[in-house]
Amino acid sequence: DAKTTQPTSMDCAEGRAANLPCNHSTISGNEYVYWYRQIHSQGPQYIIHGLKNNETNEMASLIITEDRKSSTLILPHATLRDTAVYYCIVRVAGTGGYQKVTFGTGTKLQVIP
Amino acid sequence: DSGVTQTPKHLITATGQRVTLRCSPRSGDLSVYWYQQSLDQGLQFLIQYYNGEERAKGNILERFSAQQFPDLHSELNLSSLELGDSALYFCASSPRDSHSYNEQFFGPGTRLTVL
Repeated sequence: DAKTTQPTSMDCAEGRAANLPCNHSTISGNEYVYWYRQIHSQGPQYIIHGLKNNETNEMASLIITEDRKSSTLILPHATLRDTAVYYCIVRVAGTGGYQKVTFGTGTKLQVIP
Repeated sequence: DSGVTQTPKHLITATGQRVTLRCSPRSGDLSVYWYQQSLDQGLQFLIQYYNGEERAKGNILERFSAQQFPDLHSELNLSSLELGDSALYFCASSPRDSHSYNEQFFGPGTRLTVL
């Protein structure tokens, strides 16, 4: 699986858009990009995933560069409840059920009032 | 609420002891995953089961073992416990053992403290 690189921490003002970057320069053509977040020792929560097209759901938007070597998770209007650790994961498809996943240490997002 | 339940919520035990952590996946989910998260560490994948069969192994110690039962609940057994085994243990489930990584639903975790 491709490795990912994320900043250790970021701050964002409440009400502003939070843009969380992730580098995955060794990503393969069949690897998806997934984002999860973990709020203070709770179980991680799925946010969004994509392959090569930009994706949007009720929680966030995912922008994947054309070369797929990086992506950005966008929380359009950050609230204090969005303070969490955000994990970017890339995962290959077609691996016969092999599901080993490395979450890494993620980006700690602090939303400031 | 993800629909995944884990018991107990907290567990305090002594070094050398053995404990069992239990996980009930979401209704209909066939895959169960176990993760360990030590203080200020990322999530470490331990093991995955699908419909009773082991499918993938991560950084799971030989002192640890797991199984998934016919009713699809899973247990993680930790033996000869050491201080370093103190951590949050998460269980996750997903609906299918597809060939692609799919959305996992995480339980609230079991906090294990080894004294």
